[in-house]
Amino acid sequence: AQSVTQLDSQVPVFEEAPVELRCNYSSSVSVYLFWYVQYPNQGLQLLLKYLSGSTLVESINGFEAEFNKSQTSFHLRKPSVHISDTAEYFCAVINPPGGSQGNLIFGKGTKLSVKP
Amino acid sequence: GAGVSQSPSNKVTEKGKDVELRCDPISGHTALYWYRQRLGQGLEFLIYFQGNSAPDKSGLPSDRFSAERTGESVSTLTIQRTQQEDSAVYLCASSLRGFSTDTQYFGPGTRLTVL
Repeated sequence: AQSVTQLDSQVPVFEEAPVELRCNYSSSVSVYLFWYVQYPNQGLQLLLKYLSGSTLVESINGFEAEFNKSQTSFHLRKPSVHISDTAEYFCAVINPPGGSQGNLIFGKGTKLSVKP
Repeated sequence: GAGVSQSPSNKVTEKGKDVELRCDPISGHTALYWYRQRLGQGLEFLIYFQGNSAPDKSGLPSDRFSAERTGESVSTLTIQRTQQEDSAVYLCASSLRGFSTDTQYFGPGTRLTVL
């Protein structure tokens, strides 16, 4: 069965520092990978996704994630965070793997807390 | 345009009571999903509707849980004889065609508390 592991439940950082939120998945076939973000008191929003092609994908607010097939990882990075990036971040894969339709399997989430 | 809406936003009920949670997907979206977010446990898939196909109920945790969808519009998730472990935020999402590559758009959720 597929699974998604987010190793860090909480990541505190200072404003303007770089950050990496780690995500590892288990799958024996090709996958589609997603990062969703949940800002305080708001619903889940898609941040970015990897479907195929370039292994580096970017969001409009400066986050990027790199698909690494050999390490089965899809870590999320930002070189300089803002207070407004404080949120919970969820990594997800589509189930079944390689399927044309399906539901999302989520990791348990990482709470990013940006301090001034 | 309007996003996914859910009602009620909060529901407090007593153990053993039945509850109904409602989801209005984005207009024109053929696929609708229900997920559950229990404290400290991340999101769990419950059920998936795609057009007129039979729903994928593989994530429903017990036969106390059921869901219906009218055509390609409103969906209702029903929990019978609620238990304390049913306390969670129930999230609904919709996508345009239900393809794996489509973005799923989430509603704000219904927070269910079972006393």
